[in-house]
Amino acid sequence: EAGVAQSPRYKIIEKRQSVAFWCNPISGHATLYWYQQILGQGPKLLIQFQNNGVVDDSQLPKDRFSAERLKGVDSTLKIQPAKLEDSAVYLCASSLEWGTEESYEQYFGPGTRLTVT
Amino acid sequence: QKEVEQNSGPLSVPEGAIASLNCTYSDRGSQSFFWYRQYSGKSPELIMSIYSNGDKEDGRFTAQLNKASQYVSLLIRDSQPSDSATYLCAVNKEETGANNLFFGTGTRLTVIP
Repeated sequence: EAGVAQSPRYKIIEKRQSVAFWCNPISGHATLYWYQQILGQGPKLLIQFQNNGVVDDSQLPKDRFSAERLKGVDSTLKIQPAKLEDSAVYLCASSLEWGTEESYEQYFGPGTRLTVT
Repeated sequence: QKEVEQNSGPLSVPEGAIASLNCTYSDRGSQSFFWYRQYSGKSPELIMSIYSNGDKEDGRFTAQLNKASQYVSLLIRDSQPSDSATYLCAVNKEETGANNLFFGTGTRLTVIP
């Protein structure tokens, strides 16, 4: 079974530029998550989708971050304009649709390492 | 108070020993608990999940949950150098229908050959 796919793997941009990340979840996983992981910290949830609807975006800095999940499969996360403090690894995860204990288990993609200079 | 707290380590154990990793959480309503392993430069990998009080064993790994004490632990038996990684404790907190996972900062484990 293929895992969560993400691209690009690395990105270097200057502050005030824009950047977009792409994620394809595990086949059949209805729930998709975007996390930000700053060096030395645990991942922090930015936004959660159930199919193509947003379930929780309370921690997403909406003045500069946006995300969408059209058609309930792939998702993109965008930052515009980027700040130095956005340097982090952006992780996408997916899980089954809620209803069983297994649906709480989240599986991560390889991540995108973003450096803002 | 942080949602999930872990000792950042580093924790060093000799090869073949038992490594014990600990985690406490603040929300008594939490229902699901997870341990992820993260190698340097890699993404977190789910290694254990536990949902009820007691022990859950999977190979060399044992997760222990005590909801009354709000405490989760991970034991790694017969530790191997390949177990050297950062171990992240994660706690699920359902809020307004969302499956929110809160992570600790991780404990770095080094297994010495």
